Amino acid sequence: GAVVSQHPSWVICKSGTSVKIECRSLDFQATTMFWYRQFPKQSLMLMATSNEGSKATYEQGVEKDKFLINHASLTLSTLTVTSAHPEDSSFYICSARTGTGDNQPQHFGDGTRLSIL
Amino acid sequence: GDSVTQMEGPVTLSEEAFLTINCTYTATGYPSLFWYVQYPGEGLQLLLKATKADDKGSNKGFEATYRKETTSFHLEKGSVQVSDSAVYFCALSDSSYKLIFGSGTRLLVRP
Repeated sequence: GAVVSQHPSWVICKSGTSVKIECRSLDFQATTMFWYRQFPKQSLMLMATSNEGSKATYEQGVEKDKFLINHASLTLSTLTVTSAHPEDSSFYICSARTGTGDNQPQHFGDGTRLSIL
Repeated sequence: GDSVTQMEGPVTLSEEAFLTINCTYTATGYPSLFWYVQYPGEGLQLLLKATKADDKGSNKGFEATYRKETTSFHLEKGSVQVSDSAVYFCALSDSSYKLIFGSGTRLLVRP
């Protein structure tokens, strides 16, 4: 079946550094990718939607200069957390879908746990 | 805006017990409804879905019926197994295909 690979699965870094998370669709072309954030024991909150070759659409309250999203190809989207601080620590999950219509579900990666010291 | 509310967990059951996880939604249009499952240490997997009123989604013994009159999409299984232990998320998507998730319900099935 369709597989979405997310890398890294866990990252720990110092405050002030930038962290890049990759999301790859392994066996299908992902015309749309989504980035979510999940706090402990809470739901997934959509951060942004990215379509291949165009700028990402950010949800209200999400800083686009803080969370840079690039969707340069049909199989890869990246999320860069710039100048990360402890409050950015969270579980980040990507998903990808192909085409349009309700018959095209979102396929999720395994998530990236980000810890900022 | 659109939202999803599901029962708080954890839900603890014995093996072979009947499972119900309640889910209700608020939406301005006619959303599609989904149940996703997250096993420990893994990503989310689509469990089942329904795209219009009175549709029943089913998979792996799980069922949920899209009830427009009660704006509900309750998840049921007649006989749970230990391997069903996971976190279950109810979600809806509108015409933009964005998913809006409920808070998740942790299910623990004891042997």
